[in-house]
Amino acid sequence: DQQVKQNSPSLSVQEGRISILNCDYTNSMFDYFLWYKKYPAEGPTFLISISSIKDKNEDGRFTVFLNKSAKHLSLHIVPSQPGDSAVYFCAAITGTASKLTFGTGTRLQVTL
Amino acid sequence: DAGITQSPRHKVTETGTPVTLRCHQTENHRYMYWYRQDPGHGLRLIHYSYGVKDTDKGEVSDGYSVSRSKTEDFLLTLESATSSQTSVYFCAISAVGTSGGETQYFGPGTRLLVL
Repeated sequence: DQQVKQNSPSLSVQEGRISILNCDYTNSMFDYFLWYKKYPAEGPTFLISISSIKDKNEDGRFTVFLNKSAKHLSLHIVPSQPGDSAVYFCAAITGTASKLTFGTGTRLQVTL
Repeated sequence: DAGITQSPRHKVTETGTPVTLRCHQTENHRYMYWYRQDPGHGLRLIHYSYGVKDTDKGEVSDGYSVSRSKTEDFLLTLESATSSQTSVYFCAISAVGTSGGETQYFGPGTRLLVL
């Protein structure tokens, strides 16, 4: 039972354009959401997060939107750069111990 | 960089042999985690620890055990490795991020191949 879903395994975007990565979840108890970026042969790197009490969080080129009623979040990258090419994972936390439930990832390729 | 190292970084072993992976952190974090990453599954939690000698299971704990005798070290053991345990293993710690919420920070990973 996949509680966090990333239905697009890959996405290709031109440099300078907006990249939009989507994530859906089923567990209404999730109260904190995170996005990670992962390059090959490296560990995931924390990118941005959002609490369930907010609907938007922005950090430079990265903005995360949360729609609780739809159980949907998205990551916007504007403008996209070639260095953004990586696999992006969304993850959710619930309860104590801060255990993360991950989506399956979306591979973003930013082309010149 | 949250001061997390993993050893070994790569390992090839044979089915049926025991394997221990080590995670070491330098910043005295209370919570530590072991995940595995496989194609089509993202990262899945194997075990986690909330203090010295305090551990609990994650969603894919069968075939794995863990130990934490010191705050800085969290060991993952495959008692008798199987080919289904071929994976990339990541250790993580939990800390308060810049946004004020709990955030997990990951080590570089250990690539394990079981023949």
